[in-house]
Amino acid sequence: DTAVSQTPKYLVTQMGNDKSIKCEQNLGHDTMYWYKQDSKKFLKIMFSYNNKELIINETVPNRFSPKSPDKAHLNLHINSLELGDSAVYFCASSPSPGRERNTQYFGPGTRLTVL
Amino acid sequence: GQQLNQSPQSMFIQEGEDVSMNCTSSSIFNTWLWYKQDPGEGPVLLIALYKAGELTSNGRLTAQFGITRKDSFLNISASIPSDVGIYFCAGPPGNQFYFGTGTSLTVIP
Repeated sequence: DTAVSQTPKYLVTQMGNDKSIKCEQNLGHDTMYWYKQDSKKFLKIMFSYNNKELIINETVPNRFSPKSPDKAHLNLHINSLELGDSAVYFCASSPSPGRERNTQYFGPGTRLTVL
Repeated sequence: GQQLNQSPQSMFIQEGEDVSMNCTSSSIFNTWLWYKQDPGEGPVLLIALYKAGELTSNGRLTAQFGITRKDSFLNISASIPSDVGIYFCAGPPGNQFYFGTGTSLTVIP
C-alpha cells in the first residue's frame, strides 16, 4: 500500500564508491523528483522527471545521475561518493496536469552516510 | 536563487497553546503548500492554497495565502504532543519548486 517507496532506507559507504537509490510510486503520477535534505533540514530539489523526461536539473555535481526506466520509477545513481554527499535523499511524485501538479507526495527517505 | 524564509525558526510551546508561523518569499507564488515532517519520515502535505487571500482549514490547522502572493501563514490551534515536527512551506515560482527553511515545533505536555 506504500505510495512512494525508496530503497534502501539506510546506506553507509566509503568515499569513492558508487551507489544507487531506488524509488517507486504506485500513485499513477506523471512527475517524480529527487530532493536532498542536509543536516540543517534544508530541502533542495535536485531533479524532476515528467513521463521519463528530465524537466528540472538543479545545479548538482554530474556525479549524480537520475534514471527513469518508466514513469513509476526514478532511481538515483551517485558516482565517486564524497563526504559532503552525506544527507537524507527523498523521492517524491506529483500528479499532472492541473493545479494539483505541485502537491508532492514524499517517500520515507534514504539516509546516506559517506565515511 | 529563490529562498523562502520561515519564522520563527523554532518554537517551544505548552500543550493546548495556539501556534502561528509564516513564510515569505522574494517572488510571487501562485501556489502555497504547507508540509509537516515527522522525525525520520518524509514531508507530508497538510494544506494547499491556490488563490491570493484564500483561507483553508484542515482540522486544527488553518493556512492563508497572503494577498501580496509573497507570503503565507499557518496556524495550529490547541496544540497536542503529536504536532511535534518540522513545518515547511513550499511552492513553485514558475517551473521551479522551493521549500522554506522550516519551523521546528516542540510541544511540551
